[in-house]
This record gives sequence, structure tokens and C-alpha cells, in this order.
Amino acid sequence: GDSVTQMEGPVTLSEEAFLTINCTYTATGYPSLFWYVQYPGEGLQLLLKATKADDKGSNKGFEATYRKETTSFHLEKGSVQVSDSAVYFCALERAGGSYIPTFGRGTSLIVHP
Amino acid sequence: DAGVIQSPRHEVTEMGQEVTLRCKPISGHDYLFWYRQTMMRGLELLIYFNNNVPIDDSGMPEDRFSAKMPNASFSTLKIQPSEPRDSAVYFCASSLDRWGGQGYEQYFGPGTRLTVT
Repeated sequence: GDSVTQMEGPVTLSEEAFLTINCTYTATGYPSLFWYVQYPGEGLQLLLKATKADDKGSNKGFEATYRKETTSFHLEKGSVQVSDSAVYFCALERAGGSYIPTFGRGTSLIVHP
Repeated sequence: DAGVIQSPRHEVTEMGQEVTLRCKPISGHDYLFWYRQTMMRGLELLIYFNNNVPIDDSGMPEDRFSAKMPNASFSTLKIQPSEPRDSAVYFCASSLDRWGGQGYEQYFGPGTRLTVT
């Protein structure tokens, strides 16, 4: 079945450091890939997405590139801020058939001033 | 639009009591999802609806859980009787229809934090 694997957290960084959160997936066909962010006490919200191979999603300084050859969708940001502290979820949606979204376990990011 | 609305935001109840969680999806969205989030198990999909019809409830943990969607603007998740292991944050999410396309994001509500003592 479909699955999403994320690096375990927490990831702890100092402000202005470079961020990478790894995400790999297993799915048949050509899924769409997403990164969601969950701030404390809130629901998940879409951060960025990519719907086909080699697409790059970007938003708020975050980027991720859909790499079909490595089945990966790693999240990156060049300079993190304290306000980026949150839990980040990688997810996929497989095209066709019954719709059942698949989320990773989430990676907690803590950014210190 | 106000986004996905959930109520109550917090619920504390005693073991054995009935609990009803409520959700109002974004107007015009065709899909509605119920999730449960815990530290141990992460985010779990419990059930989802398409055009008010339950499509897949394989994630519902047991018969104590039931969900309904009587119309396009309202859904409930009921636990009867509740148990301490049901303590979690329950999220409702909605999205547009996927027919002929993909890559539609889900819009999550703020969640209901349930504590069963």
C-alpha cells in the first residue's frame, strides 16, 4: 500500500540556519505530493504541493521538488525563523480509485533565537 | 468563508459517557474527512464522505465510533460509550471533488481536544 516516511524529530535549529526535512514515499502510479504545517493548537494547513515529477512547490520561503527517481519530496528552507517552529507533515494523494490520503508521522521543528 | 468549523474545541467527559463532535465543512466542498491525532499513532484517517455518503470507514477503531453526514453542511462523529484511550485531538477536514483531477488540498478545522477520564 501507499506509505510516507519522514525523518524523526524533533529537529532543533538556531534562527537563520538551513532546514531540510526528508520525506520519501511509496505509491503506485504518479501521486500528488504535499507538505502541510501544523502550528501549536491549530489544524494542519497546506504549505506547498507538487502534482508531477520535477515540479517544485514553494511557499513562504519553503521549497520541495518532486523527485520520482528517488521517490522523495524533501522540504527545504534557506533561513528559518522562530515563527517556523511547528510540526511538518509530508503527504501523498494517489490519482484514481478510492481516495484515501496518506500522511507521514510528522516532524517537529524547533527554532531557537 | 470562515473555514472548517468544529465544535466543541475542548471536551472533557467521564468514561462511559456519550460524546458528539461536530463539523461544518467549507461551503461547496464535496469531501469530508474525520481524523484522530495522538502522540503514539500520529494522524489517523477514521472515515471520509463524498457528497454526504460514507465512502470508507475502515479507519473507525470499533463499533463505539459512528459518523454521519445528514447534509452537505454538517457532520457528526459520535463515541458511545467513551473510554480513556479515546483521548485525542479529532480533526475534521474538507476538500473539493477530485473527479478528473488531483492535487486538491485538504482544509482542516482547528480540532476538538477530547479528554476522557
